[in-house]
Amino acid sequence: QKEVEQNSGPLSVPEGAIASLNCTYSDRGSQSFFWYRQYSGKSPELIMFIYSNGDKEDGRFTAQLNKASQYVSLLIRDSQPSDSATYLCAVNRDDYKLSFGAGTTVTVRA
Amino acid sequence: AAGVIQSPRHLIKEKRETATLKCYPIPRHDTVYWYQQGPGQDPQFLISFYEKMQSDKGSIPDRFSAQQFSDYHSELNMSSLELGDSALYFCASSLPQTFGQGTRLTVV
Repeated sequence: QKEVEQNSGPLSVPEGAIASLNCTYSDRGSQSFFWYRQYSGKSPELIMFIYSNGDKEDGRFTAQLNKASQYVSLLIRDSQPSDSATYLCAVNRDDYKLSFGAGTTVTVRA
Repeated sequence: AAGVIQSPRHLIKEKRETATLKCYPIPRHDTVYWYQQGPGQDPQFLISFYEKMQSDKGSIPDRFSAQQFSDYHSELNMSSLELGDSALYFCASSLPQTFGQGTRLTVV
């Protein structure tokens, strides 16, 4: 079992809708949680990071963390075709190296 | 703002050859992380350095070695290349980890 699990998708949403991405992790010692966006053949781009339980909002993106349930999610509001990409969930402990999920592919239909 | 710089962007090597990948972290960032991403795979941690010392080691083959220099840039040396080494290689700077553009290595 991977340390970080994500639904592989593809997740298809219409333009303007909300895309909801989920991620679970197995290591209760995980301390920091990250969402990266990756376009095909490109490097991962950091979208959000969250350390504390609750919600964190940045523009159209909201990250939610529930450490008791070992669950972190990403909401993308008002989805745009340019949001079509693979979204990688990553976690780390205090040793700082990132463990990634397999990624969720999102397609926003115009 | 200056980002993480990697070179070269693309590299084609033959089996059993050697390759050297370079990473220049964000200025004044003292930590570098190396990741390998095979086709259709998620990034896998290889190795990291803090203040020129190896700080952690992941799934890095014995054929690979790396070091961090006094100016904090890092080099990943890969020897006896195999077809399976074909991948994107990323380095990232200090937390929150920001990735460079990556080096696409193709072994033929």
